[in-house]
Amino acid sequence: AQSVTQLGSHVSVSEGALVLLRCNYSSSVPPYLFWYVQYPNQGLQLLLKYTSAATLVKGINGFEAEFKKSETSFHLTKPSAHMSDAAEYFCAVTYTGTASKLTFGTGTRLQVTL
Amino acid sequence: DTAVSQTPKYLVTQMGNDKSIKCEQNLGHDTMYWYKQDSKKFLKIMFSYNNKELIINETVPNRFSPKSPDKAHLNLHINSLELGDSAVYFCASSADVSGPYNEQFFGPGTRLTVL
Repeated sequence: AQSVTQLGSHVSVSEGALVLLRCNYSSSVPPYLFWYVQYPNQGLQLLLKYTSAATLVKGINGFEAEFKKSETSFHLTKPSAHMSDAAEYFCAVTYTGTASKLTFGTGTRLQVTL
Repeated sequence: DTAVSQTPKYLVTQMGNDKSIKCEQNLGHDTMYWYKQDSKKFLKIMFSYNNKELIINETVPNRFSPKSPDKAHLNLHINSLELGDSAVYFCASSADVSGPYNEQFFGPGTRLTVL
């Protein structure tokens, strides 16, 4: 069964520090991977997606993620955190033939401190 | 213009009642979804419709019945509400179901509280 695991339910970084949010997937077929962000009391917004075109994917708000097949990982990074990045981040996976059914990880809450 | 809208935003009701949540998208998408987010923020798909046809029906109690009058609307009706139904329900839409890499656009959510 398809799944993603997000290590760390809560990550705290200082403003200006590197952001690293971890996501590992389990799959026997090529996955399509997504990172979504959820700000308080809002819906989810797509940050970026991996669709096999390029392993390094750049998204909105300065975020990027690298697909590493050998490590079954799709970690999200941002070189310098801003206070406005504080939110819940979700990794999600889907596959061809699943009717675009997204399976989400358990989420990581990012806290940014001064 | 709101791409995916849901009404109501908040819903507080008693156990045993029947309630509906409405969803509309103005993106011209063919596919719509309902997700449930529990108190621990875990998101799980419930249903998906493609051009008014049910294509995903996860292991959801029969008390939950989605209805799609047209491809721009997907409503969720819940009968005999239980305490465990308390959650945030998100509607989403995507261009079509054949492209798994298509972005899903989410609505703002409906927070359901069952007392």
